[in-house]
Amino acid sequence: QKEVEQNSGPLSVPEGAIASLNCTYSDRGSQSFFWYRQYSGKSPELIMFIYSNGDKEDGRFTAQLNKASQYVSLLIRDSQPSDSATYLCAVREGSGGGADGLTFGKGTHLIIQP
Amino acid sequence: KAGVTQTPRYLIKTRGQQVTLSCSPISGHRSVSWYQQTPGQGLQFLFEYFSETQRNKGNFPGRFSGRQFSNSRSEMNVSTLELGDSALYLCASSLVRRGRSGANVLTFGAGSRLTVL
Repeated sequence: QKEVEQNSGPLSVPEGAIASLNCTYSDRGSQSFFWYRQYSGKSPELIMFIYSNGDKEDGRFTAQLNKASQYVSLLIRDSQPSDSATYLCAVREGSGGGADGLTFGKGTHLIIQP
Repeated sequence: KAGVTQTPRYLIKTRGQQVTLSCSPISGHRSVSWYQQTPGQGLQFLFEYFSETQRNKGNFPGRFSGRQFSNSRSEMNVSTLELGDSALYLCASSLVRRGRSGANVLTFGAGSRLTVL
């Protein structure tokens, strides 16, 4: 049974600070890792994906992957109130063109305090 | 460019009935996946279709089924509805790529919210 674990929160962070979201996964065969953001009442939208160990930066967002520790994180710099949402970590066994569905964590509810 | 379109957006059914949900993927996307989202279980993978073939299926009973048409549009059906089937059903499409460059990114539709009474 593939599992993806996230702290459900809520995680409260002051505006302008760095928000750190963490995720662990059970399947060592996992190859692709995704972070989605979901606002209340809306569908998930992709923030970024990562498949190599290390850091990947995109604007204010940085994804970090450590396959040896089976750990993925998302850092949000200069947090804004509009970043308040549920952040979903998702993992896929395949590297890209495979048919494997994504296994999602239950999400971390992030609140950015003005 | 139009996104993923799901219909209907909301529906109410009673136990024992069946329901069919529809999904039109982004133009050019040939892979369609379905997910169920509930407060208790989160997002769970139902199945994925590519070129009218089901390539993978999640851990759901046979009451949940789907299909994909030649134009990549997809439908999912749930028969003999149970109260626990109340959920948001999300369809996602992707442009399947070889290799890791695209990492087969999913784009979700707005969802169909099913309430079973």
